Amino acid sequence: QSALTQPRSVSGSPGQSVSISCTGTSSDVGGYNFVSWYQQHPGKAPKLMIYDVNKRPSGVPDRFSGSKAGNTASLTISGLQAEDEAEYYCCSYARTYTLVFGGGTKVTVL
Amino acid sequence: QVQLQESGPGLVKPSETLSLTCTVSGGSINYYYWSWIRQTPGKGLEWIGYIHYTGDTNYNPSLKSRVTISVDTSKNQFSLKLSSVTAVDTALYFCARTGSTGWTHFDFWGQGTLVTVSS
Repeated sequence: QSALTQPRSVSGSPGQSVSISCTGTSSDVGGYNFVSWYQQHPGKAPKLMIYDVNKRPSGVPDRFSGSKAGNTASLTISGLQAEDEAEYYCCSYARTYTLVFGGGTKVTVL
Repeated sequence: QVQLQESGPGLVKPSETLSLTCTVSGGSINYYYWSWIRQTPGKGLEWIGYIHYTGDTNYNPSLKSRVTISVDTSKNQFSLKLSSVTAVDTALYFCARTGSTGWTHFDFWGQGTLVTVSS
């Protein structure tokens, strides 16, 4: 069982927006602004999409955005595209000076 | 462009030590933190630990008693040793570089190497 809770799957049509939640506790997500999000296509390594809650690395499209409210962080994909179909994982710093991941969310483009 | 490549045995016997090396190319191992992360179908992604180029380490408390991460700056490599392995240690092992602003996210990853624990 993962430390952070994510929905197993979300789906949307091309052009729509989808959001993925990542729920933790005050000891991880809620306590620190060190939430990151990764995209993983089958057979590939994860790719950093968002770090420090809402910062986008160079090269990541601006339709990917991150936010946090209380113990829940969210990744929003606006203007969903076919290539966005992948597994998405959240990750947070935790009070015990460690990192914890979510269980992953499968995004399906209908 | 920084590239990372994991190497090591793909099969390890139970109770033995898993040993992997990550070779960094296209950039220096200096000035960053370097992590090992593993992935299983059952537990998903799990952070194992990091090493700074200075040798400073930090391990996941759940694995701390069995993990050693070391660095060889002259070879631009860092390594993982996980002792007393069992079947639950069967996983896809990734090495990764942490971001320039801190060790809490990973901006470059290796392709991963599958390690199976079996007799």
